[in-house]
Amino acid sequence: DAGITQSPRHKVTETGTPVTLRCHQTENHRYMYWYRQDPGHGLRLIHYSYGVKDTDKGEVSDGYSVSRSKTEDFLLTLESATSSQTSVYFCAISEFGTDNTEAFFGQGTRLTVV
Amino acid sequence: ELKVEQNPLFLSMQEGKNYTIYCNYSTTSDRLYWYRQDPGKSLESLFVLLSNGAVKQEGRLMASLDTKARLSTLHITAAVHDLSATYFCAVNTGTASKLTFGTGTRLQVTL
Repeated sequence: DAGITQSPRHKVTETGTPVTLRCHQTENHRYMYWYRQDPGHGLRLIHYSYGVKDTDKGEVSDGYSVSRSKTEDFLLTLESATSSQTSVYFCAISEFGTDNTEAFFGQGTRLTVV
Repeated sequence: ELKVEQNPLFLSMQEGKNYTIYCNYSTTSDRLYWYRQDPGKSLESLFVLLSNGAVKQEGRLMASLDTKARLSTLHITAAVHDLSATYFCAVNTGTASKLTFGTGTRLQVTL
């Protein structure tokens, strides 16, 4: 299994509170991603990073920010959580440029905003 | 904007039967992925298809890619209960290996 650890695994938070999810990798992969999974939508890209301090928006980035100060850590922050952000969040990593370019996924974080 | 459509969304099949899941995408891409997800679990990579005409097989699953038709198929041969899961296809948009996913096909194999 790819060395990806997400924390926390489960979180319940109140509307309007800030929340930070962490993704830690031990593979030294350049690319890291945050996706959210919702019924009927598959997985949708929130933000991604192509290197330390290099990040960009994905398809559903509104209400989210990210930071990557080290190769191994990619943080996803909900500045003011809303009920629409209740979801399962997956971190993924990949080493773009190789033949396979697979993305490997973490175990997910189930976030409930009440 | 890239769209990825899977069908069917839900598939109930008997053990021993064959079936195919379809994945259509709307714009040019040269990489397509199939993932499996068990309930409450992460996504497990099944196949990476890198070129037109690519075919890969693992056990009872076989995936193929037709880039001209923008179509990938996941064929299940002689289904067994252990194949029950949700299957996703995902298309690489080409920049930074970002993936656009289909909505998934929930496969239920019954005895």
